[in-house]
Amino acid sequence: DVQMTQSPDSLSASVGDRVTISCRASQNIDKLLSWFQQKPGKAPKFLIQGASNLQSGVPPRFSGSGSGTDFTLTITSLQPEDFASYFCQQSYSVPYTFGQGTKLEIK
Amino acid sequence: QLHLQESGPGLVKPSETLSLTCIVSGASITSRDYYWGWIRQSPGKGLEWIGSIFYSGTTYYNPSFKTRLTISLDTSQNQVSLNLRSVTAADTAVYFCAREVPYSSDYYGGWFDPWGQGTLVTVSS
Repeated sequence: DVQMTQSPDSLSASVGDRVTISCRASQNIDKLLSWFQQKPGKAPKFLIQGASNLQSGVPPRFSGSGSGTDFTLTITSLQPEDFASYFCQQSYSVPYTFGQGTKLEIK
Repeated sequence: QLHLQESGPGLVKPSETLSLTCIVSGASITSRDYYWGWIRQSPGKGLEWIGSIFYSGTTYYNPSFKTRLTISLDTSQNQVSLNLRSVTAADTAVYFCAREVPYSSDYYGGWFDPWGQGTLVTVSS
């Protein structure tokens, strides 16, 4: 199985900050990586596919980059509604696997 | 607008079968454009992909579940079903269904959007 490791596990930031979340795959996954946002008690919300392709309707302050084994989710100018958990997920090989999540908290 | 809703019992006894249904509205599960997947989330294991099914009935299963898992389509009801046999407490989780959008028609692999709200299933006697 491809292991997905996110860092950090948690992150404190302020409204207006720029934050970066990393996701590392245990082997090459090309660009078959998605990012999701999840708020407590809610289903994950899809943000980005193909490592860098933003879903329609997702604010452009979200961006993704990377390929191979190293990927990044960046949020510029944090807004109050962005404080949530974020997960990456690879679709390169079965079984699909998810990162353990990064919890973004208000400082 | 596409909407997915999981339904099924919230409590299942150990060794029994966990059966859930994903009611899909706003799109046909017989569409050749999408797969339909199941994912679960627990505090101990995080998010786990369980498996997905194509309109043709072709399934892709997580090997961790393969010997006790069946995912099927009910095209008359536009529903996707999950049956997980011989459950234990480790199967306690929130179960989500989701549409899986393939990256390409040439190979299997996609992203999940949207997701149902999820349903908590507890395995306990």
